[in-house]
Parts: sequence; C-alpha cells; structure tokens
Amino acid sequence: GDSVTQTEGPVTLSEGTSLTVNCSYETKQYPTLFWYVQYPGEGPQLLFKVPKANEKGSNRGFEATYNKEATSFHLQKASVQESDSAVYYCALGEMGYKLTFGTGTSLLVDP
Amino acid sequence: ETAVFQTPNYHVTQVGNEVSFNCKQTLGHDTMYWYKQDSKKLLKIMFSYNNKQLIVNETVPRRFSPQSSDKAHLNLRIKSVEPEDSAVYLCASSYWNSDYTFGSGTRLLVI
Repeated sequence: GDSVTQTEGPVTLSEGTSLTVNCSYETKQYPTLFWYVQYPGEGPQLLFKVPKANEKGSNRGFEATYNKEATSFHLQKASVQESDSAVYYCALGEMGYKLTFGTGTSLLVDP
Repeated sequence: ETAVFQTPNYHVTQVGNEVSFNCKQTLGHDTMYWYKQDSKKLLKIMFSYNNKQLIVNETVPRRFSPQSSDKAHLNLRIKSVEPEDSAVYLCASSYWNSDYTFGSGTRLLVI
C-alpha cells in the first residue's frame, strides 16, 4: 500500500533560521502531494499541494518540489518565524477518496 | 460561513458507554471522511462516504459505525468504547480529489 515517511520531530529552531522537513513516499499510483499544517486545537489545514511531477508548490514562504524520480517532496523555508510553530504533515492523495499522511513533524521556533 | 463543523468539541466517557459524534459541512462537497488522530499525532483514515455511499472502510473495530443522512452530514457512533479509543476524531470533506477541508476535531477521553 501507499506510505509516507517524514522527518521525525520534534524539530526546534531559532527564529530566522532555515527549515527542511524531509518527505519520501511510496505508491504505485500518480498521486497529488500535499503539505498540511496543524495548529494546537485545530484540524489540519492545507499549506499547498502539487498535482504534477517536477512542479513546485509554495505558500507563506514554504515551498516543496514534487520529485518523482527520488519520490520526495521536502518542505523548505528560508527563514522561520515563531508563528510557524505547528505540526507539519506530508500527504499523498490518489484519484480516490483518501489521503495517506506521514507521521507529522512538530516544529517549535524559539523567538 | 462555509466550513466543516464538528460537535462536541470534547467528550469524556466511561469504558463500555456508547458515544456519537456529529459532522456537518457547508462547502457543497460530495465526499466526507473520518480520521483518527492518536496521542502521537498519527492520522489514520477510518471511513469515507461519497454521496451517502461508503467508499473506504479501513480496518477498524466493528464497534465503530459511520452514519450518513445526506452528503452534508456524516456522524460516527462508537458502541461500547474502550480506553484505546481515546483520541481526536477529525471529520473532513472534499469534492472528488480537490482540497480536503478538516473540522477542528472531537477529543474523546475514555476513563
């Protein structure tokens, strides 16, 4: 079946430093790839998605490239802020009716 | 306001009781889902419904049963809860393979 593996957290960074959260996936399909972010007490919310290989998605300074050859979708941000503290999920969605999530990476940014 | 609404926000119950959670979406989506998020923040799909029809039914204990009256409502009933059912239950909706929208979750504590 499908699976998603991502950087194990928690990850603690100082404000202004760069972030990389690794995400690798396994599937026999041609999925859309997603990054979701979850703040305390809320449900996950879409950060961005990329439906096609070799394309890049971005939002709020975060970005990731759909690398089909390496089966990766790493999340990056050049300069994190305290407000970025949250849990980040990589996920893949097939032409069907479910998302397969990674284990989530908790990010804590110190001011 | 268009969103996914879940009730209750929080529920405490004793082992062996029956509980029921409600979910309503006002986004006009045709597919709804229940996900379970455990204490380690792992997200696992339980069920999905498309236009009131069960599409995905992952391996969950038989004490869990989804109930859909129309495509805007998807409830979850748990007969005879057990301690391992303590978790956050997240409802979501989407249109075909479009962006998923999650509710803020129902936190269940079984004592």
